[in-house]
Amino acid sequence: EVQLVESGGGLVKPGGSLRLSCAASGFTFSSYSMNWVRQAPGKGLEWVSSISSTSSYIYYADSMKGRFTISRDNAKNSLYLQMNSLRAEDTAVYYCARDGVLFGIFEIWGQGTKVTVSS
Amino acid sequence: EIVMTQSPATLSVSPGEGATLSCRASQSVSSNLAWYQQKPGQAPRLLIYGASTRATGIPARFSGSGSGTEFILTISSLQSEDFAVYYCQQYNNWPLYTFGQGTKLEIK
Repeated sequence: EVQLVESGGGLVKPGGSLRLSCAASGFTFSSYSMNWVRQAPGKGLEWVSSISSTSSYIYYADSMKGRFTISRDNAKNSLYLQMNSLRAEDTAVYYCARDGVLFGIFEIWGQGTKVTVSS
Repeated sequence: EIVMTQSPATLSVSPGEGATLSCRASQSVSSNLAWYQQKPGQAPRLLIYGASTRATGIPARFSGSGSGTEFILTISSLQSEDFAVYYCQQYNNWPLYTFGQGTKLEIK
């Protein structure tokens, strides 16, 4: 079964850091670009970051540049998101998502991990 | 940034009837548009990509159309499990992907 399982969410103070993980199974992880998408409480979906299959290409939404770092370990079938200098507006459920037939088509999603930034 | 605007924000439809959801892009995205369904407490699910191609396992009652800046998601004969929030998303402006704000499809 194709599956993505996120972990690492939790409560963190403004200015703090958190590292999210996404464990992939059921497919050849090293063949796919991966993404992080977030959803603030009661709000819509927002693309956060993407990384190509070999980590050659990495992209971020403007509001995350310089604060978030996406990475992957193909040997461990894992995707990561290091989040620094967290703000209240970063509070959201963070989903990892696998690309499909084309870049940007989010074919497979994890169940999400909740991040709350509050003092 | 390409802005995606969905209408209506909420659509009330009776089971068995059809529903038409709209999505407009602030500039042309060609056919590089996807639709997702999200139920409460669940992750989004890919329904349509390439504006009109159903994803694997998606029932034929879901269909997509449009190109350029105007897109439609049509759901014929609504089932109880179809009541959810639907998002459109453009992937033409790679990699600056953007989503619409969503349309909530509720039971009338």
